[in-house]
Amino acid sequence: NAGVTQTPKFQVLKTGQSMTLQCAQDMNHNSMYWYRQDPGMGLRLIYYSASEGTTDKGEVPNGYNVSRLNKREFSLRLESAAPSQTSVYFCASSPFGVDGNTIYFGEGSWLTVV
Amino acid sequence: AQSVTQLGSHVSVSEGALVLLRCNYSSSVPPYLFWYVQYPNQGLQLLLKYTTGATLVKGINGFEAEFKKSETSFHLTKPSAHMSDAAEYFCAVRVFNAGGTSYGKLTFGQGTILTVHP
Repeated sequence: NAGVTQTPKFQVLKTGQSMTLQCAQDMNHNSMYWYRQDPGMGLRLIYYSASEGTTDKGEVPNGYNVSRLNKREFSLRLESAAPSQTSVYFCASSPFGVDGNTIYFGEGSWLTVV
Repeated sequence: AQSVTQLGSHVSVSEGALVLLRCNYSSSVPPYLFWYVQYPNQGLQLLLKYTTGATLVKGINGFEAEFKKSETSFHLTKPSAHMSDAAEYFCAVRVFNAGGTSYGKLTFGQGTILTVHP
């Protein structure tokens, strides 16, 4: 009964380093998302994938890239990390883009860039 | 564009008291509205949602919310607060692309931290 699984849970990076956050869901959902959460700003959408093979920018895509590897997996890559990317990152998924369906969230990845 | 505003970043109540968390939305199309709860160091969990139909929506843990189109509001209430309700609560509205598709995307309010005192 895993749902949405993200790794790693915690990571410290130096400015300029790169890393990839991994996400997998076992609910056979078509749509997947990456959000970041910052104090006082709620959650902001970075990228989303409406279905396997497609990705689109969200509200705050700069500095990030994504890959929808298959239906289950959706990774987020920071090519050159900056302190402004210190945040909590959430992966999420939902059933095929039918409005009103619930979005299911992973437990979050805490990233610190020093 | 769609947006939500949560009034009050912090709300404090006594155990057993009424909980009222305020959310106002802006949407040029009929909105789908959501309340999520986040416990410390965890992901977000859906409390309830309004899509169409009955404007009073009941969710988990005794919470409910009423969609009021005339007031563009979707406030979250619970008659009697419990210590376990202490968490951060987020209101959200579905977002549409220019072409009218949504793909389930949501935009979130800033969050309201609920503290419950004994």
